[in-house]
Amino acid sequence: SQTIHQWPATLVQPVGSPLSLECTVEGTSNPNLYWYRQAAGRGLQLLFYSVGIGQISSEVPQNLSASRPQDRQFILSSKKLLLSDSGFYLCAWSARATGTGELFFGEGSRLTVL
Amino acid sequence: SQQGEEDPQALSIQEGENATMNCSYKTSINNLQWYRQNSGRGLVHLILIRSNEREKHSGRLRVTLDTSKKSSSLLITASRAADTASYFCATAPISGGYNKLIFGAGTRLAVHP
Repeated sequence: SQTIHQWPATLVQPVGSPLSLECTVEGTSNPNLYWYRQAAGRGLQLLFYSVGIGQISSEVPQNLSASRPQDRQFILSSKKLLLSDSGFYLCAWSARATGTGELFFGEGSRLTVL
Repeated sequence: SQQGEEDPQALSIQEGENATMNCSYKTSINNLQWYRQNSGRGLVHLILIRSNEREKHSGRLRVTLDTSKKSSSLLITASRAADTASYFCATAPISGGYNKLIFGAGTRLAVHP
């Protein structure tokens, strides 16, 4: 069966510090990968998605970047965090073959920037 | 931009009652999906309904889709305390493709024993 791992689960970072959130998927090949951000009490905002190694689409101009160094690994980064980067970050994958866009989410990473 | 808008924003019911949540959207879609999120956790896919379907069932869940009104509803029958969670609709717009699901702000459901 497929599983998705996301870490760290919680982190508190000072303004101006770097960020690296990592996500890996097991049990499937060639997944589409996604990073979403969820503000408190709100819906999800799509940040990045990837359909293959090295292929990244950015949905919202921001202080963040994403990379996909391996087929089942997706990384969210920032060189210098802003207060507005605080939030709940969710990694997800979908099966390219099904073509429905059904998403499978990780458990999320809660980022607090102070 | 928000595509799906759920209402109500919050719903409080007793165990055994039915819970109905609604979702409206703006553009033509390939499908509409409902997800559940327990507090502080990731989202879990519940059910998907395609644009050419009008109703779908899965256990105690019933989803309807009215493409002429651009709306959907999620009915949870005989609710349980364990159903307490936030519920989100997500649309796969025809223009954006399946890689750009757009989520609404969600309905927070509280089921009291």
